[in-house]
Amino acid sequence: SAVISQKPSRDICQRGTSLTIQCQVDSQVTMMFWYRQQPGQSLTLIATANQGSEATYESGFVIDKFPISRPNLTFSTLTVSNMSPEDSSIYLCSVGTGVAFFGQGTRLTVV
Amino acid sequence: GIQVEQSPPDLILQEGANSTLRCNFSDSVNNLQWFHQNPWGQLINLFYIPSGTKQNGRLSATTVATERYSLLYISSSQTTDSGVYFCAVEYRQGGKLIFGQGTELSVKP
Repeated sequence: SAVISQKPSRDICQRGTSLTIQCQVDSQVTMMFWYRQQPGQSLTLIATANQGSEATYESGFVIDKFPISRPNLTFSTLTVSNMSPEDSSIYLCSVGTGVAFFGQGTRLTVV
Repeated sequence: GIQVEQSPPDLILQEGANSTLRCNFSDSVNNLQWFHQNPWGQLINLFYIPSGTKQNGRLSATTVATERYSLLYISSSQTTDSGVYFCAVEYRQGGKLIFGQGTELSVKP
């Protein structure tokens, strides 16, 4: 199993600003995944972050809006840039290419 | 792409009742997992079950990969079972998960 610490747990941000979400894992992992859960919806994969290479984004998500860093095998950040109210969601990081484990999520509200 | 459909979308139970949640998927998958999301948003992995049957306490799951469905059984439900249950499939190699729309379960005392 893996223990994932995600920060912040929640935030309220002004539109037009950016928020960086941190994800720390208690063991080294090759891939980390970032998901978005819009209000009342299911989870959608934003991107896959591999250490030492550019993140791979899913259709509908772009690097300019959701830049991702992966400086080492235990840490990753996701930035939500130039936020609008439509970005209000829960953002979750995940690890595991077999059994998947999730951080507690970041509940973002954009006003 | 692959479709993952869960039913029912909502379920209200009296404490002590049993329930069955279903997950259908439209193509062959590498694995299937069941998650419980509590009211605070935390996702807990219940089962990793690409095929066969597993049991964990009051919960059990069965996946019939050849027929492209999985079932989650909850017996003797408790109020703490409330929340949203998601199934998710790994469609291609690499750990990416595709989630169903979830079943929102409410267990009343």
